[in-house]
Amino acid sequence: AQSVTQPDIHITVSEGASLELRCNYSYGATPYLFWYVQSPGQGLQLLLKYFSGDTLVQGIKGFEAEFKRSQSSFNLRKPSVHWSDAAEYFCAVGSRGSYIPTFGRGTSLIVHP
Amino acid sequence: DGGITQSPKYLFRKEGQNVTLSCEQNLNHDAMYWYRQDPGQGLRLIYYSQIVNDFQKGDIAEGYSVSREKKESFPLTVTSAQKNPTAFYLCASSMGGQQPYGYTFGSGTRLTVV
Repeated sequence: AQSVTQPDIHITVSEGASLELRCNYSYGATPYLFWYVQSPGQGLQLLLKYFSGDTLVQGIKGFEAEFKRSQSSFNLRKPSVHWSDAAEYFCAVGSRGSYIPTFGRGTSLIVHP
Repeated sequence: DGGITQSPKYLFRKEGQNVTLSCEQNLNHDAMYWYRQDPGQGLRLIYYSQIVNDFQKGDIAEGYSVSREKKESFPLTVTSAQKNPTAFYLCASSMGGQQPYGYTFGSGTRLTVV
């Protein structure tokens, strides 16, 4: 069975600083990986996804993520955080033949001015 | 613009009452899903549907029911059998099939028991 872990419940960064949110997955074959963002009281929005090919994936809002098979990781990065990036971030993993992804518990990003 | 509309945004339920949450999409997506979100617990799957007139239970289906009479609509009923219904409910859709395409989510319904 597939599973996903987001080790950090909360992350605090200063505006303008770089950001990395961690995501580790457990799945035997090549996973399908996603990052979503949720603003308070809203639904989730897809930031980026990885199915195959280039392991560095570019997404919306200036985010990118890198798939590292050897580390079973799919960490989300942004070089310079803006106050509007404060939100909850969810990593999710799916697989071929299992179209229901498994979501992590989320990481809450706090941005200090 | 295409998207998913959930209504109402806020809903209050009395003890022993059934309530229905609406979810409508105009994306022509085949698959639709209902998730429950509680603080610190991420998203838990309630029900999902790949095609009209067919749906499957998710991880926490007890106390909930759904229907899929139209491709565009996937309403969720929270029954009186659901003992702890206070939560944030999210509807999502995707192209379906055997590959996990990304989801499009609605903006959610917050249900509170009063």
